[in-house]
Amino acid sequence: DVKVTQSSRYLVKRTGEKVFLECVQDMDHENMFWYRQDPGLGLRLIYFSYDVKMKEKGDIPEGYSVSREKKERFSLILESASTNQTSMYLCASTGSGSYNSPLHFGNGTRLTVT
Amino acid sequence: DQQVKQNSPSLSVQEGRISILNCDYTNSMFDYFLWYKKYPAEGPTFLISISSIKDKNEDGRFTVFLNKSAKHLSLHIVPSQPGDSAVYFCAARRNTGNQFYFGTGTSLTVIP
Repeated sequence: DVKVTQSSRYLVKRTGEKVFLECVQDMDHENMFWYRQDPGLGLRLIYFSYDVKMKEKGDIPEGYSVSREKKERFSLILESASTNQTSMYLCASTGSGSYNSPLHFGNGTRLTVT
Repeated sequence: DQQVKQNSPSLSVQEGRISILNCDYTNSMFDYFLWYKKYPAEGPTFLISISSIKDKNEDGRFTVFLNKSAKHLSLHIVPSQPGDSAVYFCAARRNTGNQFYFGTGTSLTVIP
């Protein structure tokens, strides 16, 4: 079974802090994604990466950056946290070997910015 | 611009009956469609998928139907069970690239 692990289930940070969300997958997947989930808005893509050191902006990249130094790890960085970044953050991965391969999600990080 | 739409935010069904969740999409370049189930405070779990070359895919109590001409897919759950109560997301992927697009979700409540 694919395992996607997010380092924290719950985080509380103050406005202006730099925040790191970590994600690790154990299936040697090439593609990794960061989404945020908000009520009524579904899952919105922040950034994704299709290889080490490669990154692509998703639909809502503003205020975020990412890092992929190793294939199994994809980090989301909030440079200066703001209250409108309070949300559920979901990391996901999928392989490139099989064309129709679903996304596999971690359990999410509930971030509250006060 | 929402390319994948779930127009029903919520649905209630009696235990044992059929649950039908609907999803519409606008992009004719989508070729792979998926359904996910999500409990509160957990990540989405993959349920079932369908390729655009098919119009139906079954897995146990779950069946997904795809109507390409109408750009519509649906998830049927038969029989519905209380443990099926969750938020269901549909998703689609374009035939180029690896980006997945999600709907806004439908909250299903199965009443015992």
